[in-house]
Amino acid sequence: NAGVTQTPKFQVLKTGQSMTLQCAQDMNHNSMYWYRQDPGMGLRLIYYSASEGTTDKGEVPNGYNVSRLNKREFSLRLESAAPSQTSVYFCASSEGGHLNTEAFFGQGTRLTVV
Amino acid sequence: GQSLEQPSEVTAVEGAIVQINCTYQTSGFYGLSWYQQHDGGAPTFLSYNALDGLEETGRFSSFLSRSDSYGYLLLQELQMKDSASYFCAVKGYGQNFVFGPGTRLSVLP
Repeated sequence: NAGVTQTPKFQVLKTGQSMTLQCAQDMNHNSMYWYRQDPGMGLRLIYYSASEGTTDKGEVPNGYNVSRLNKREFSLRLESAAPSQTSVYFCASSEGGHLNTEAFFGQGTRLTVV
Repeated sequence: GQSLEQPSEVTAVEGAIVQINCTYQTSGFYGLSWYQQHDGGAPTFLSYNALDGLEETGRFSSFLSRSDSYGYLLLQELQMKDSASYFCAVKGYGQNFVFGPGTRLSVLP
């Protein structure tokens, strides 16, 4: 089992460029999440999808859009990258529901905007 | 909204016991989780408490008091490989996980 797979692992963008971060999970999970982590800080929720066909804003959604393409895939798009979006981005998935206890994380995408 | 507080850093020696505290404020609460993250790595799940009391998993234990909105992670027989950041996280009614700022644990020889 691959678990949660993110692509790319590293990316450098120029200010104003756009890109899409891809995430796929093979655990048949209902819920998927996008977090960003800045140096020495915790994980801040950007967007999440509680189930296929739904998406909701998290704590820091400005400058981002998401698409839950199907149950497996949840992509994050930066339409016009800014230096403030330099961060490590983690995708995660979980079974969903109030009894669910664990989130599984991908290995992260390290994004630098210059 | 939801917010969590943890100490920023903790230092201990090999073989010792260390406790990492977490207090939370949330409008809805299902449970408190703990995650470990080594430098450059992804967070990995350690434990989860939905009910008051202590949960033990090997060298790690986690405690929850719902009435006090408080929990802690207890690490025993510390090893060098336990040097990492530890995050508490709340599972709320919004079906998402909200993470604390993290506690960096340094284990000294």
